[in-house]
This record gives sequence, structure tokens and C-alpha cells, in this order.
Amino acid sequence: DQQVKQNSPSLSVQEGRISILNCDYTNSMFDYFLWYKKYPAEGPTFLISISSIKDKNEDGRFTVFLNKSAKHLSLHIVPSQPGDSAVYFCAASANGGGFKTIFGAGTRLFVKA
Amino acid sequence: EPEVTQTPSHQVTQMGQEVILRCVPISNHLYFYWYRQILGQKVEFLVSFYNNEISEKSEIFDDQFSVERPDGSNFTLKIRSTKLEDSAMYFCASSAGLATSSTDTQYFGPGTRLTVL
Repeated sequence: DQQVKQNSPSLSVQEGRISILNCDYTNSMFDYFLWYKKYPAEGPTFLISISSIKDKNEDGRFTVFLNKSAKHLSLHIVPSQPGDSAVYFCAASANGGGFKTIFGAGTRLFVKA
Repeated sequence: EPEVTQTPSHQVTQMGQEVILRCVPISNHLYFYWYRQILGQKVEFLVSFYNNEISEKSEIFDDQFSVERPDGSNFTLKIRSTKLEDSAMYFCASSAGLATSSTDTQYFGPGTRLTVL
């Protein structure tokens, strides 16, 4: 089941630069997308989300972009900070199926000081 | 800030034994979930629970698994006869509503690491 794909297992970025994490999905029924951040030995923590009726949502240093025609979303972190180093999971759910959230495999972000 | 708690943090069991993983969701939340993450793999949905019944479950959630809300605060996942491949981190989550808006975000607990020997 590869409905949500994060093709980059890891990403390394210099402090202060932009981090761009990518996610692709295959299920056209998905209409709500989320990004979670996970530190070792902790549960995923909600970061930011976007509904399919929007193409951009911004919250401080974090912006999520959604391209429905390409079934692609991305998370931009700018400026990146060492504390952002974590695993980032893209997730999606479908209207009426909001109970079930499908996660991608995650991308490990390293922000170097 | 309210949080989801899980006990135990680490459970070691023998293959074939029953285990019960416990969760205390956020108190005013109505929707409850279990996920698992096998080491190095993605977080996988197991089951969702609302109004005292299972709302949705994945193909992973077979007859060996069951969930229960025995009282007003706990939410449990039972694995009747554990297998080696059940070894994973199990995360409980809860939400105030369905995951279709930012107010209905699923909040995750810290997880229980299950090791089946």
C-alpha cells in the first residue's frame, strides 16, 4: 500500500537555509493532508495541515503547498533550525474516511549548524 | 497542555502470549486510534474507534487484535496471541473530531514498544 509516498529517506540542510520535503499521493479521494514531525522515542506531533480546497497554508516558518493536479505536496521550512532535525511524515485522509489517516514512510531531516 | 499517555513504555512478551497496551486519550476527545510502526518503516493505521465501536480498521487488524474502552478514560489494544512480526512501536492517538480540519488533528501518545521473543 503506497498511497502516500515520500521518496527521499533523508535530507541535509544548512542552518538558516530552506528545507523542502516532498510527498506524492495516488488516491484522488484524499482531501486533507497533514505533516507530522517525530523525534526519537516520541509519538508523531502534528505540524501543519492543508485541505484540498487550498493550495497553500502557512504557519510561521512552515508552509505547505498542495498541487492537486500533480498529486503532490511539499513542506517548506524557512529558515531551518537545528531543532528542526527530526523525521517528517506526510499523511492524508479522505472525506468520510477521516478516521483513517495514511502515512508516508517519512523523511529524516538533518539541519546542520 | 493535555496529552495522550500510554503504558507501558516497553513491553516484552513471549510469542503466543496475550498483551494489552493501554492508552489514556485526551479527556474531551471522541475519536480514538491505534497505529503501529515497525522499526525503520512507516506509521501504519490499525483501527479507529468512535461511539464505543470500531469505525474503520486496516487489513493488519485481524482477529488477533481487539480494542476496548473499558471505562471513561482508558482505551486498550489487545493482541491475543502475539507473533514475532507484531514487534513494533504502537501509538495511540485521539482527536476531537474527524481528521478533516485543523481542529480535529490527531494527537499521538509517546508509544509502547512491543518486543515479541
